[in-house]
Amino acid sequence: DARVTQTPRHKVTEMGQEVTMRCQPILGHNTVFWYRQTMMQGLELLAYFRNRAPLDDSGMPKDRFSAEMPDATLATLKIQPSEPRDSAVYFCASGPLAGYTDTQYFGPGTRLTVL
Amino acid sequence: KNQVEQSPQSLIILEGKNCTLQCNYTVSPFSNLRWYKQDTGRGPVSLTIMTFSENTKSNGRYTATLDADTKQSSLHITASQLSDSASYICVVCNQAGTALIFGKGTTLSVSS
Repeated sequence: DARVTQTPRHKVTEMGQEVTMRCQPILGHNTVFWYRQTMMQGLELLAYFRNRAPLDDSGMPKDRFSAEMPDATLATLKIQPSEPRDSAVYFCASGPLAGYTDTQYFGPGTRLTVL
Repeated sequence: KNQVEQSPQSLIILEGKNCTLQCNYTVSPFSNLRWYKQDTGRGPVSLTIMTFSENTKSNGRYTATLDADTKQSSLHITASQLSDSASYICVVCNQAGTALIFGKGTTLSVSS
């Protein structure tokens, strides 16, 4: 049963600390998406990768957020320095085809709390 | 401005009853509209994806309809079950396939 996995599932940190979230997409999927979900804003798209290359990161605050895919089995989302307003659930999703038009499979999310 | 509005914000129904969730959007032109189900503490799961030329699509007890003229979509749940308790999110993809616009979701509670 192929699934997207994310680590850690929960993270509590203090303001100013660096946070790294990891995602393992479903084997064979060549698109990876990072989302953020809060009660106030709902789901927001942060970044989109195809074949490990970033295609769209317009939703991501560039000054403190960075997203990378070191290899086809790992995607990372880093926040440095973290702020309380970054507290949210961060989801990774992967898809078998390029673009936003195909089904995306979501991971369980990383719940981040910044104190 | 591209927007997706969902109603109602929350809904409580008795097990076995039917219900309909609404999604109105201003994204135009658009490529596809999808409905997701999100259980508490889990990631969203895709229920249906419809292109602008499709009027209806079913997935078991879930049936989504789309009226591209009025820019409205609905998700109908038949014979609800306790496991249908979740948040339902409507997402519209623009025609270029370069942007996703999300609704805030409808929280459905099914009680016995």
